[in-house]
Amino acid sequence: AQKVTQAQTEISVVEKEDVTLDCVYETRDTTYYLFWYKQPPSGELVFLIRRNSFDEQNEISGRYSWNFQKSTSSFNFTITASQVVDSAVYFCALRSSSGSARQLTFGSGTQLTVLP
Amino acid sequence: DAMVIQNPRYQVTQFGKPVTLSCSQTLNHNVMYWYQQKSSQAPKLLFHYYDKDFNNEADTPDNFQSRRPNTSFCFLDIRSPGLGDAAMYLCATSRESRGLGGYTFGSGTRLTVV
Repeated sequence: AQKVTQAQTEISVVEKEDVTLDCVYETRDTTYYLFWYKQPPSGELVFLIRRNSFDEQNEISGRYSWNFQKSTSSFNFTITASQVVDSAVYFCALRSSSGSARQLTFGSGTQLTVLP
Repeated sequence: DAMVIQNPRYQVTQFGKPVTLSCSQTLNHNVMYWYQQKSSQAPKLLFHYYDKDFNNEADTPDNFQSRRPNTSFCFLDIRSPGLGDAAMYLCATSRESRGLGGYTFGSGTRLTVV
């Protein structure tokens, strides 16, 4: 079985603050992918990043950065200098090679509100 | 641009009246998925097609059916919508071969049942 936990249901920050969204996952597989998606109020799921289980190198893309640590089964997402447009629900998801092999398992999401 | 397109963006249907949601893709991906997302919840997989092979999730209600007439199109049929079926329905695709593919999502169809 696989599971993704996003313990933070809601986070509010003031614009320009940094914010980290936590994601902890469980899987028995050695081969898997982790994802982050952004879902603005309009509803579409916007792909942010995919990371495979063999690549623990952290990644930075503009104001976004991701910290993947297999030792703690975590894949945290940090937004630096947050902006109002970052307000959305953020989902962490896991795709592994076993079980219902093609299922993307989502966490419950974190609602991020960035206040002006 | 290659993409996943869902029509319509918003759908209102009457209680018990069959409704069909459509999804098309220009990515030539061999796997297509339907997810249901209720308010403030994570998306939940209903079923997927691997090429022509249909795979139903164990807890997907019988009220939900799907058709995939060709690689590009996939339909979600709700035979007798109930109030509890009001949700966002998301279509996604992936390319599966020897490795695990990434997903591309459509913009979703928000279904209202009145």
